[in-house]
Amino acid sequence: ETGVTQSPTHLIKTRGQQVTLRCSSQSGHNTVSWYQQALGQGPQFIFQYYREEENGRGNFPPRFSGLQFPNYSSELNVNALELDDSALYLCASSRDPAGTNYEQYFGPGTRLTVT
Amino acid sequence: GENVGLHLPTLSVQEGDNSIINCAYSNSASDYFIWYKQESGKGPQFIIDIRSNMDKRQGQRVTVLLNKTVKHLSLQIAATQPGDSAVYFCAEREAGAGSYQLTFGKGTKLSVIP
Repeated sequence: ETGVTQSPTHLIKTRGQQVTLRCSSQSGHNTVSWYQQALGQGPQFIFQYYREEENGRGNFPPRFSGLQFPNYSSELNVNALELDDSALYLCASSRDPAGTNYEQYFGPGTRLTVT
Repeated sequence: GENVGLHLPTLSVQEGDNSIINCAYSNSASDYFIWYKQESGKGPQFIIDIRSNMDKRQGQRVTVLLNKTVKHLSLQIAATQPGDSAVYFCAEREAGAGSYQLTFGKGTKLSVIP
């Protein structure tokens, strides 16, 4: 088990609603990345946060936003939920955003269901 | 728990045999590659990594081979055990990218037959 934790474990929302997912990074890690994993697919990069700023973004619309706090924990916010947003949302932390410490450690994920 | 294995290529292996999982990557600019294991209901677990200046790296019971000429990556698991049953993903990172963005493959489901 990694030291990355996520909450909640499961969540059910209605189309059009907003959701906030939370992630606590592993001790000593200052970088948090978020991924979306649809059923039967590999994870897709949403964005990364480093020193409380967005440090790279994948092909996701602006209604996907995030925050990183001084203790390096992070939130993923999704506005105007759509049915296709139903997925497992994974958080991964690493010691650096891009350096010699490449390894990313994943949390268990939050399963979001949009009805 | 999560069924991450739907619609994925499946490899069935007898317990004790060696397993080979293959991955074709797309970006010739990728400089770093990782294999992850994902069990049902869990996040991906780091197995082994390799940088593009290497063609082979060994860990405990696992070996990763990298062929940059044909953009191919493989994971070899020696003496496969029932606990190895999971979905395996390869992931690549593009060289020079400021953020640590990983691009994952589609995954292969490994089933170990006792």
